[in-house]
Amino acid sequence: GENVEQHPSTLSVQEGDSAVIKCTYSDSASNYFPWYKQELGKRPQLIIDIRSNVGEKKDQRIAVTLNKTAKHFSLHITETQPEDSAVYFCAASNPRVGGYQKVTFGTGTKLQVIP
Amino acid sequence: GAGVSQSPSNKVTEKGKDVELRCDPISGHTALYWYRQRLGQGLEFLIYFQGNSAPDKSGLPSDRFSAERTGESVSTLTIQRTQQEDSAVYLCASSLRGAFYEQYFGPGTRLTVT
Repeated sequence: GENVEQHPSTLSVQEGDSAVIKCTYSDSASNYFPWYKQELGKRPQLIIDIRSNVGEKKDQRIAVTLNKTAKHFSLHITETQPEDSAVYFCAASNPRVGGYQKVTFGTGTKLQVIP
Repeated sequence: GAGVSQSPSNKVTEKGKDVELRCDPISGHTALYWYRQRLGQGLEFLIYFQGNSAPDKSGLPSDRFSAERTGESVSTLTIQRTQQEDSAVYLCASSLRGAFYEQYFGPGTRLTVT
């Protein structure tokens, strides 16, 4: 099955600096890579995603890059703010028969933005 | 519209008791997922449903865990003879059928086994 590794497990940055979280996956059939943000005590929520036919996607201060050959994908947050502090999960989605998807999550990165 | 709901929000039970956790997905979402999240840990896949069938049960930790889904709506996760290591937040998520749809998570059920 799919295996997703995520690094680092914790990350502290000064407010205004950039943060980068990296993930690798094992199954070349995975074709969709969402990123979820989970604030303390709350449910995970999608912040950005990328499909396998795209190399990069941006949405304001966040961007995701995908290298299919190396099976790497990364989340980039620029101009970090204290409200970016949360746990971030990467995931790899593998299509299944019938149009459904099997999603495997990384182990999470706890980001702390220091004011 | 309404999001994914789960009940109860908190459950404290004694070791050895059975518990039943409920998930109400977003209407029209045919895919439903259960995850376990231990304190400070990641999301551990348990099972997913396509409609009311469960093609992948590989994540269920033991035969004490089971799940069912009625049609394309409510799902229940049952843990029999609970153990202390079952203590965790159990999250449910639902999505539309398809390869590129967002999973919408419920608020979770915090299970504490004493």
